[in-house]
Amino acid sequence: AQSVTQPDIHITVSEGASLELRCNYSYGATPYLFWYVQSPGQGLQLLLKYFSGDTLVQGIKGFEAEFKRSQSSFNLRKPSVHWSDAAEYFCAVGDPGGGADGLTFGKGTHLIIQP
Amino acid sequence: NAGVMQNPRHLVRRRGQEARLRCSPMKGHSHVYWYRQLPEEGLKFMVYLQKENIIDESGMPKERFSAEFPKEGPSILRIQQVVRGDSAAYFCASSPVGGDVETQYFGPGTRLLVL
Repeated sequence: AQSVTQPDIHITVSEGASLELRCNYSYGATPYLFWYVQSPGQGLQLLLKYFSGDTLVQGIKGFEAEFKRSQSSFNLRKPSVHWSDAAEYFCAVGDPGGGADGLTFGKGTHLIIQP
Repeated sequence: NAGVMQNPRHLVRRRGQEARLRCSPMKGHSHVYWYRQLPEEGLKFMVYLQKENIIDESGMPKERFSAEFPKEGPSILRIQQVVRGDSAAYFCASSPVGGDVETQYFGPGTRLLVL
């Protein structure tokens, strides 16, 4: 069964500093990979996704993620965070076999931005 | 193009009552997924439906929960005889016919509180 691990429950970063959120997955092959962001009381917004090709993926709001097959990782990065980036971030994997299944989510990383 | 719509946004029920959660997918989307998010947890897949068909309900509790996606109208997640443990945020996602079927777009969620 596939699984997703986000090892950091909380991360605190100063505004303007760089950010990296970790995501590791367990899957038999290369899954589809996603990062979503959830603001308090809101739904999930897709930041970026990886299906194939270039392993460095650009997303919205200045985020990027790099797929590393050897490490089974898909870490999310941003060079300079803004206070509005404070939110919950979820990594998710999908089954490329048919695209018909639900996504498997990690438990999330809560990002706190210090002034 | 309106996003995924869910209503109500908040629902309060007493133990033993029924809860009905509605989801209208994005225009042009005929795949609907339901997820449950317990406090401090990631989203857990419940069920995947296409119009008039349940494709995958492997994440649905065996009792009291049911889902439908009729030919006309929204998808409905129904919880009968609710218990306190059903308190959670329930998210609906949709994906399109063909094309980028692997990407799911999420609604704002319904927060269910069982008293």
